[in-house]
Amino acid sequence: DGGITQSPKYLFRKEGQNVTLSCEQNLNHDAMYWYRQDPGQGLRLIYYSQIVNDFQKGDIAEGYSVSREKKESFPLTVTSAQKNPTAFYLCASSLVSLPRYEQYFGPGTRLTVT
Amino acid sequence: GDSVTQMEGPVTLSEEAFLTINCTYTATGYPSLFWYVQYPGEGLQLLLKATKADDKGSNKGFEATYRKETTSFHLEKGSVQVSDSAVYFCALSDQDTGNQFYFGTGTSLTVIP
Repeated sequence: DGGITQSPKYLFRKEGQNVTLSCEQNLNHDAMYWYRQDPGQGLRLIYYSQIVNDFQKGDIAEGYSVSREKKESFPLTVTSAQKNPTAFYLCASSLVSLPRYEQYFGPGTRLTVT
Repeated sequence: GDSVTQMEGPVTLSEEAFLTINCTYTATGYPSLFWYVQYPGEGLQLLLKATKADDKGSNKGFEATYRKETTSFHLEKGSVQVSDSAVYFCALSDQDTGNQFYFGTGTSLTVIP
C-alpha cells in the first residue's frame, strides 16, 4: 500500500535535547511538507520541499531544521532552540506543488518535551 | 494575505441531523479549496475538493460548492452518523502565494446516537 509513514507515533524528550522526526513516503511524490498542530490553531507550515536537495522555510521555521537527500524521505529535527516544541507534528506530500493537487498526510508524531 | 475562516466549534448533533460547517476564504488569486477530516490521534484525510468556481466536491455523503461570489466553501451532509464524529478542516491552495496550503482552525463535530 502506498502512503506516508511517520515514526515514532509518540516521542518524549528532555528539554535541551535535539530530536529528529522521521517521514517517509512511497507515493513517488515530489513535494513534501512539515506542519505543526496545536489545539485550536489549525496547522502551521514549518518547512516544505519541492525537489530533492532543496527546501524552503514556512511560517514557523525557527528552531527547526530539515533535509531532503532522497525523494522518499524528509526528516525534521526539532532543535533545543525551539522554545515550545511540545506539539503534534504532521508530515504531508503531494504529487507536485500546484494548487489543484491535494496533500496526503501521515499519521503524525506527538512530541512531548519536559 | 490568504486565509481561511471556519465556524467555531464544537458542534454536537443527533444522529441523522443535517450538518453545515461554514467556511469562507480570502485569496489573492484563484485558489483550489479542500475539506479534510481528522479522526482522534490521526493525520488528516482528504474529504473532498473543488478547483474552480461553481465546482461541487462530494464524497461519503458530504458536499461543498465553490462559491466565488461569496468566497465560501461550506460543508454539508444531509444525515450525519456517529462515525462522522471528527475534526473538519477547510483549506485553500493558491498559485499566487506559492501553492502553499492555508488551513482553517478546524471544527470539532460530535454526533450522538
